[in-house]
Amino acid sequence: QVRLKTSGAGQVKPAGTLSLTCTVSGASITMNSWWTWVRQPPERGLEWIGEVSRDGNTNYNPSLKTRVTMSLDKSKSQFSLKLTSVTAADTAVYFCAGVTEANWLEPWGQGTLVTVSS
Amino acid sequence: QFVLTQPPSLSGAPGQRVTISCTGGSSNIGAGYGVHWYQHIPGSAPKLLLFTDTNRPSGVPDRFSGSKSGTSVSLAITGLQTEDEATYFCQSYDINLSGSVFGGGTKLTVL
Repeated sequence: QVRLKTSGAGQVKPAGTLSLTCTVSGASITMNSWWTWVRQPPERGLEWIGEVSRDGNTNYNPSLKTRVTMSLDKSKSQFSLKLTSVTAADTAVYFCAGVTEANWLEPWGQGTLVTVSS
Repeated sequence: QFVLTQPPSLSGAPGQRVTISCTGGSSNIGAGYGVHWYQHIPGSAPKLLLFTDTNRPSGVPDRFSGSKSGTSVSLAITGLQTEDEATYFCQSYDINLSGSVFGGGTKLTVL
């Protein structure tokens, strides 16, 4: 069974950088061509942040593009998200997930709450 | 504002049938991209219920089914059970975004 586990700071100061890593276990990280990050602010719906390919190519949501960097490390079976210049609006539960060829998302991580607060 | 529109909430009694709609536009569902449905209980990972409009992954009961008409898709749940109480959201691909778009989620309450 493929599992995704998210790690990273649960609290980030305003203007700081949010950093999260998703570790894939139970299968090779190359099982999916793409891996994605999605977030859900409190009491709101899901927002696509972007995706990284197994070859390191990236696609980002234009609304976040200037602040987002994603990367993938095959040797560690990990992919990562960095979001700079965070504000309270970036407070959300962040999910990592795999992207299938037909674009449905599976598997998913459990999600991790990141709070932007001083 | 969400690219895909869902009713925010719905309720039904055990044993009843409910339908959740997901309406998109010409840059996603109308462009022929499939819609995928997930069940989400807070604190856990979202679970794939249907992929590409109507297909059930193995292990998902046949009480869950999907249909499509134009730029709208629907998730139907028959024989409602208390364990079905969750938030359901739809997802597709959007050519304007060049990425995934989601519905706002529908919170289902089983009375």
